[in-house]
Amino acid sequence: QVQLVQSGAEVKKPGASVRVSCKASGYTFTDYYMHWVRQAPGQGLEWMGWINPNSGGTNNAQKFQGRVTMTRDTSINTVYMVLSRLRSDDTAVYHCARDGGVRGVIVYWGQGTLVTVSS
Amino acid sequence: EIVMTQSPATLSVSPGERAALSCRASQSVSSNLAWYQQKPGQTPRLLIYGASTRATGIPARFSGSGSGTDFTLTISSLQSEDFAVYYCQHYNNWPPWTFGQGTKVEIK
Repeated sequence: QVQLVQSGAEVKKPGASVRVSCKASGYTFTDYYMHWVRQAPGQGLEWMGWINPNSGGTNNAQKFQGRVTMTRDTSINTVYMVLSRLRSDDTAVYHCARDGGVRGVIVYWGQGTLVTVSS
Repeated sequence: EIVMTQSPATLSVSPGERAALSCRASQSVSSNLAWYQQKPGQTPRLLIYGASTRATGIPARFSGSGSGTDFTLTISSLQSEDFAVYYCQHYNNWPPWTFGQGTKVEIK
């Protein structure tokens, strides 16, 4: 079965960077795009971007341009999301999420990684 | 960027009643519209994609309709497990694939 297992919670200071990892299993890693979606406490879902694990190509929401980097390591079926120049309003649960074949339609979700930005 | 607007923000419904949730796009997204359900402490669950196609395992009481800019998620007879927050999301053409702000369905 498809599993997406993310790294643990992080606490960062404003201005720092955070890296969240997401290890995939149960399917062919390079066959499906991986998305990153975040959810601030008590708020809605925010789509951040995706990575094509096959080519490494990415597409990010303009809001995060210049601050977010998505990469992958096909040898260990893992994608990474780095968010830099953190602000307090970046405090959120960050999810990796995989679509089910229709690009953009998310079927599988990682458990989420809480990133807290606080001085 | 396409803005997705959901209404109402909160919908109070009695068990067994019908609920209709609205989602409007700021420009046409054709039928590239999905609905998700999220319960507290859980990750979202895909309900509907292609505006009207139920995802695997989703009960028939959930139905989706609409195209272009106006969409509706209907729950024909609310069960206790349906009280949750519902999000629409477009995936038309190129990203960003934005979500609506959510509609909370609560017990009346």
